Amino acid sequence: SQKIEQNSEALNIQEGKTATLTCNYTNYSPAYLQWYRQDPGRGPVFLLLIRENEKEKRKERLKVTFDTTLKQSLFHITASQPADSATYLCALKAGTALIFGKGTTLSVSS
Amino acid sequence: DTEVTQTPKHLVMGMTNKKSLKCEQHMGHRAMYWYKQKAKKPPELMFVYSYEKLSINESVPSRFSPECPNSSLLNLHLHALQPEDSALYLCASSQEGASGASSTDTQYFGPGTRLTVL
Repeated sequence: SQKIEQNSEALNIQEGKTATLTCNYTNYSPAYLQWYRQDPGRGPVFLLLIRENEKEKRKERLKVTFDTTLKQSLFHITASQPADSATYLCALKAGTALIFGKGTTLSVSS
Repeated sequence: DTEVTQTPKHLVMGMTNKKSLKCEQHMGHRAMYWYKQKAKKPPELMFVYSYEKLSINESVPSRFSPECPNSSLLNLHLHALQPEDSALYLCASSQEGASGASSTDTQYFGPGTRLTVL
């Protein structure tokens, strides 16, 4: 069956460090993968999209990598801040539906 | 305008009530979605409308009835719900290319309606 897994339910780091979140998938061959941020009680907000022919994508302090051989995407937040504390979801398109991983809740302490 | 709006923000209803959730977007997007999200779980797709036609119904019980009156509006009619239907209901939209796999498949979510069924 098709699965998307985000290995850590929770990640706690100190302010200023780099947070690295992992998304693995099986039985998909996605053309691209997306990362979203969700704050409690709010809808997800799109952050980055990376295509299968892109190894890396950056946006300000965010970096995403995509390894189609390993079937894995890594999401990095450099120089993390308490305001980065949220749940981060990876998502793949399966047909016309977007399938989300369970998310990793990041807590950045000052 | 890159916003998806949803009303109401909160809704409490009894099992015999009929209520509706509303969603609106003015980005010219042609695909609109309803998701259900329980606490500490990812959003689960319920329905997809593409060009105002229902294209996906993820085996959702008939007590949930979607409606797309026009390309900007999406409703979810609720009737005879159960307490286990209590959740955050999210609406989203995307531009959606003709092939369904375009570069513009980013989904824009509304803030959600927190539904409690008593």
